[in-house]
Amino acid sequence: EVQLLESGGGLVQPGGSLRLSCGASGFTFKTYHMSWVRQAPGKGLEWVSCITDDGGKTYYADSVKGRFTLSRDNSKNTLSLEMNSLRPEDTAVYFCARGHSGTFLNFDYWGQGILLTVSS
Amino acid sequence: QSALTQPASVSGSPGQSITISCTGTSSDIGAYNYVSWYQQHPGTAPKLIIYNVSDRPSGVSNRFSGSKSGNTASLIISGLRAEDEAEYHCSSFTASITLVFGGGTKLTVL
Repeated sequence: EVQLLESGGGLVQPGGSLRLSCGASGFTFKTYHMSWVRQAPGKGLEWVSCITDDGGKTYYADSVKGRFTLSRDNSKNTLSLEMNSLRPEDTAVYFCARGHSGTFLNFDYWGQGILLTVSS
Repeated sequence: QSALTQPASVSGSPGQSITISCTGTSSDIGAYNYVSWYQQHPGTAPKLIIYNVSDRPSGVSNRFSGSKSGNTASLIISGLRAEDEAEYHCSSFTASITLVFGGGTKLTVL
């Protein structure tokens, strides 16, 4: 069974840093592109970032470019999102998601989500 | 990259058909056949129900279908059921090599 489990969320002050992690199991992690998608309270979904299966390329939404860094460890089946210079508008539930059919164009499995709150 | 435009809410009675629109630009929906739709029940993760404009993942009911015309994509749900009541989100690949989502549409089954 495919499982994605996010961890590392919590409360952080504006300007602070935090790392989110996503542990994957039940599939061959190293053959899938992976992404983070977030959802602010009561709002729609927002794509955050994607990393290719081999970790060779990363892509970011303009809203996080230069502040967030996505990486992966295929030996540990782990995805990590390093977030710096956090802003109140980064407050959201962050979902780890698996790319469908060898792409990052859509997502067939999602984690349960982890809440990040940026507030003083 | 601006979000795609979806109606905030739609409603329908059991057995009816409804359509949810998703409007973008010539740099996203209009340029690529990479529109996806997700169903999200409260407090849960989204579920992929349509990809590549009109393809359904294995296990998704054929009551869900998708189409596209110009810069607007549509999700059609036929034979509405109570369990279809949820939030629906569209997304598209963009010319900037990013993904953009819509604001979400709440479907109420009357």
